[in-house]
Amino acid sequence: DGGITQSPKYLFRKEGQNVTLSCEQNLNHDAMYWYRQDPGQGLRLIYYSQIVNDFQKGDIAEGYSVSREKKESFPLTVTSAQKNPTAFYLCASNTPGQGLQYFGPGTRLTVT
Amino acid sequence: RKEVEQDPGPFNVPEGATVAFNCTYSNSASQSFFWYRQDCRKEPKLLMSVYSSGNEDGRFTAQLNRASQYISLLIRDSKLSDSATYLCVVSNQGGKLIFGQGTELSVKP
Repeated sequence: DGGITQSPKYLFRKEGQNVTLSCEQNLNHDAMYWYRQDPGQGLRLIYYSQIVNDFQKGDIAEGYSVSREKKESFPLTVTSAQKNPTAFYLCASNTPGQGLQYFGPGTRLTVT
Repeated sequence: RKEVEQDPGPFNVPEGATVAFNCTYSNSASQSFFWYRQDCRKEPKLLMSVYSSGNEDGRFTAQLNRASQYISLLIRDSKLSDSATYLCVVSNQGGKLIFGQGTELSVKP
């Protein structure tokens, strides 16, 4: 089955620790995206990548980093510089230029 | 002003009711329009794309008014299973998606 996987589903970390969220897709999509969702709010774009070895900052990139070494993978690192890291993180992918995006099941990160 | 604004919720309706969601967007150059559905603690899933001529999928009807920069979603004969948050989504020229904050719908027996 083609799709997007994110792991883990739930993640707990202590303040001050970096944490990396996984996102893998086998849809052969060139573009991948990371969003953050806070309760009662829409999705906000953190980073996106339209091709391997290239990525751009979204609207709220501070405190996050990404890499895109393979087409299938777009991991997101939440660094200790992110002031409010507790949130629901969603990864998505599509073919560039197509509006429709496909989402993974999300990772719920709690930092205490 | 937010780029995409939706009706604040929640909407609480009885089964069988007709419910309408409204959405406005600020960028007149926006190119594609969608309604996504998001169940509690799950990822958003595409409900339907929205076309200029309007489109219908069973009990769901979507309308787009480019002149007014307005999008709507109508759900007829609502079911308990329609309870979810509905997200209005707009795509700009670069292909980035801009999400509204969502409108929560609760359908009661």
